[in-house]
Amino acid sequence: DAKTTQPNSMESNEEEPVHLPCNHSTISGTDYIHWYRQLPSQGPEYVIHGLTSNVNNRMASLAIAEDRKSSTLILHRATLRDAAVYYCILRSPSIAGTALIFGKGTTLSVSS
Amino acid sequence: EAGVVQSPRYKIIEKKQPVAFWCNPISGHNTLYWYLQNLGQGPELLIRYENEEAVDDSQLPKDRFSAERLKGVDSTLKIQPAELGDSAVYLCASSPAGSSYNEQFFGPGTRLTVL
Repeated sequence: DAKTTQPNSMESNEEEPVHLPCNHSTISGTDYIHWYRQLPSQGPEYVIHGLTSNVNNRMASLAIAEDRKSSTLILHRATLRDAAVYYCILRSPSIAGTALIFGKGTTLSVSS
Repeated sequence: EAGVVQSPRYKIIEKKQPVAFWCNPISGHNTLYWYLQNLGQGPELLIRYENEEAVDDSQLPKDRFSAERLKGVDSTLKIQPAELGDSAVYLCASSPAGSSYNEQFFGPGTRLTVL
């Protein structure tokens, strides 16, 4: 899997939008961009994934750059419960079923 | 629908003692993973099962770690003997077969402390 780069930490205030960046300059044409997050004392949970077009679901939005070398996970209104480590992971469909390769992720702190 | 179940949630043992962790994946999920997570790091794969077959155990330290998934459902990970460096969180995850994007569902993990 190609490498991703994320900031170590970010801070946000409650009810404000949060934009979590991820750089993946060596992404291949078939790699999907996945985001997982890990709340304190819990296992990681899937957030969202996309290939080329921007994606929305109940948890977040994923904005993908036109050249696909970067992406941004958007939390529209951060809550205290969104404080977690967010991981950006590239996945090729050809290796479906194999392990996720996690980096250190971005630790998001949310203040009230 | 029940999620991935792991037990125990916490375990404290002395070095050189054996320890075992249990995982029950989501019903119908063929693929089961054991990950190791050290403090401040992302999870790393130890072993992956497709049904009862271990298809990727290249990162499992086989001198002291063993795992089984006898009937292709629940799984046990064992360490014998435990060392101080084994203190970490052990995560189990499962995934349904045939999912092109392969969402993985994680349990809460077992936090192991070796004294």
